[in-house]
Amino acid sequence: AQSVAQPEDQVNVAEGNPLTVKCTYSVSGNPYLFWYVQYPNRGLQFLLKYITGDNLVKGSYGFEAEFNKSQTSFHLKKPSALVSDSALYFCAVRDYGQNFVFGPGTRLSVLP
Amino acid sequence: DVKVTQSSRYLVKRTGEKVFLECVQDMDHENMFWYRQDPGLGLRLIYFSYDVKMKEKGDIPEGYSVSREKKERFSLILESASTNQTSMYLCASSRPVQETQYFGPGTRLLVL
Repeated sequence: AQSVAQPEDQVNVAEGNPLTVKCTYSVSGNPYLFWYVQYPNRGLQFLLKYITGDNLVKGSYGFEAEFNKSQTSFHLKKPSALVSDSALYFCAVRDYGQNFVFGPGTRLSVLP
Repeated sequence: DVKVTQSSRYLVKRTGEKVFLECVQDMDHENMFWYRQDPGLGLRLIYFSYDVKMKEKGDIPEGYSVSREKKERFSLILESASTNQTSMYLCASSRPVQETQYFGPGTRLLVL
């Protein structure tokens, strides 16, 4: 069965510093991996995805993620954090069907 | 822009009431999904539908049912609401071969 782990409930980073939100996964076959962001009282917004190809994927708002097959990881990164990046971040994997499995979420706080 | 709307942002119901949550998407997507979101648990799939009048159980279907009479509309029904169904409910839609799911703003349901 597919599963997604986000080992940190909370990540705090100072504005202007690089940020990393971690994600590891378990899936049969080739993974389709996603990151979504949720701002307060909003639905989830798509950030980026890895399907195939280059291991470094670039997405919205300056975010990027690196697919590492040997470590089964898909960490979200940004070179310079903004206060407005503070939100709840979800990693997800799509299984062989059409369904997604979501991680528990990581709350990112960017401190001014 | 894909738009997924949900009938209510906030809802307060009493134990035993029948509750209807409605979701409408305007992009002619075949797939529609209902999730509930709880702190520390991420998103859990309740039901999904790949076509009109089709439905499949997700991970936590107990206490819920769904209806999809038209392609653009997917309803979630709580037959007899219970306090443990207090949660945030998120609807999503996607195309069959398109990997990205698009989410509505969510309905925060409180069952007293």
